[in-house]
Amino acid sequence: AQTVTQSQPEMSVQEAETVTLSCTYDTSESDYYLFWYKQPPSRQMILVIRQEAYKQQNATENRFSVNFQKAAKSFSLKISDSQLGDAAMYFCAYAITNAGGTSYGKLTFGQGTILTVHP
Amino acid sequence: NAGVTQTPKFRILKIGQSMTLQCAQDMNHNYMYWYRQDPGMGLKLIYYSVGAGITDKGEVPNGYNVSRSTTEYFPLRLELAAPSQTSVYFCATFGRVGTEAFFGQGTRLTVV
Repeated sequence: AQTVTQSQPEMSVQEAETVTLSCTYDTSESDYYLFWYKQPPSRQMILVIRQEAYKQQNATENRFSVNFQKAAKSFSLKISDSQLGDAAMYFCAYAITNAGGTSYGKLTFGQGTILTVHP
Repeated sequence: NAGVTQTPKFRILKIGQSMTLQCAQDMNHNYMYWYRQDPGMGLKLIYYSVGAGITDKGEVPNGYNVSRSTTEYFPLRLELAAPSQTSVYFCATFGRVGTEAFFGQGTRLTVV
């Protein structure tokens, strides 16, 4: 079964500091995408960053970057220069892109990590 | 351009009642999903569809049914509502696997 595990239910960081959120996943497929989504109290789901599994280079989006370790099936999110607006629940997710796989198109999420940013 | 529209936004059901949660998208996306999110928890996949006429079970399909007769609509049917189905339900869609998923605003369902 496909699983995504976020081992940190809650994290906190001081404004302007750096924080890293952990994510591990389990799949036998070789072709997939990985994502981090943010859910603020409004419940809206916002894409933060995504990574193609076949790319070795880690994705970056402004203050957000990932550390993708394919062999270890690890996909952590680093938030630099944390801002009060970063406070939210963060979800790691992945989608299988192997058209021959039985789970093609399935988008699976982790349990989430609540991030608190202290002023 | 409405994106993904879910109705209703809120609903209270009595145990044993049935209802249909509606999801409509105007982006011509093939991939559509239903998730439930219990308080303080992650999103659990109920059912998904990779195109009209094709549906598949997710992690927690029991007590739910879906149909996908057109690209635009992907309704979720609850039969014989139970208190364990109290949750927030999200519909999501994307155009190609690996691209950004777009979510509806959610439906908060309470079963009493």
